[in-house]
Amino acid sequence: AQTVTQSQPEMSVQEAETVTLSCTYDTSESDYYLFWYKQPPSRQMILVIRQEAYKQQNATENRFSVNFQKAAKSFSLKISDSQLGDAAMYFCAYISNTDKLIFGTGTRLQVFP
Amino acid sequence: GAGVSQSPSNKVTEKGKDVELRCDPISGHTALYWYRQSLGQGLEFLIYFQGNSAPDKSGLPSDRFSAERTGGSVSTLTIQRTQQEDSAVYLCASSLSSSNQPQHFGDGTRLSIL
Repeated sequence: AQTVTQSQPEMSVQEAETVTLSCTYDTSESDYYLFWYKQPPSRQMILVIRQEAYKQQNATENRFSVNFQKAAKSFSLKISDSQLGDAAMYFCAYISNTDKLIFGTGTRLQVFP
Repeated sequence: GAGVSQSPSNKVTEKGKDVELRCDPISGHTALYWYRQSLGQGLEFLIYFQGNSAPDKSGLPSDRFSAERTGGSVSTLTIQRTQQEDSAVYLCASSLSSSNQPQHFGDGTRLSIL
């Protein structure tokens, strides 16, 4: 069965600094997608970034980038130039041909001024 | 509407009552998903619809849980004879199709069972 593990329940970063959130996963599939979602206190899950497993190039979206290591089954999220609005729960998620997202337990990110 | 809409936003009910949660997906999205998020936890998959049919109901916790989707649009999740362990946030998501398209989430319904 596929699993997603986020080993950091909480992280903190100072405004304007860089922080990396870790995620590992386990699967026997070769074709799948990985996502990072952000959940602020409003509860809505907001898609931050998406990575296709068949692409070697790491995805980037403005200040957000990933380090995708397929062999190691690792998918970390790097947030550069952190802003107060980045404070939220961050969830790593996996999907393959079963069409259901499998989520990690989340990392709570605090951003200090 | 522009996004996934869920109602009610919050629901408080007594143990043993039935509840209905509603999800209105983004127009044109054929795939619809229900997830449950217990306090401090990640999201747990409940059920997935492609059009009006549910290819995967594997996540429904018990036979007290059911869901339907009509007209390929609105979906309702029904919980019968609610128990305190049903207290959670129920999130709905939709996507253009299945096959790994990004899922767009609603704000969820916070269900509290007294």
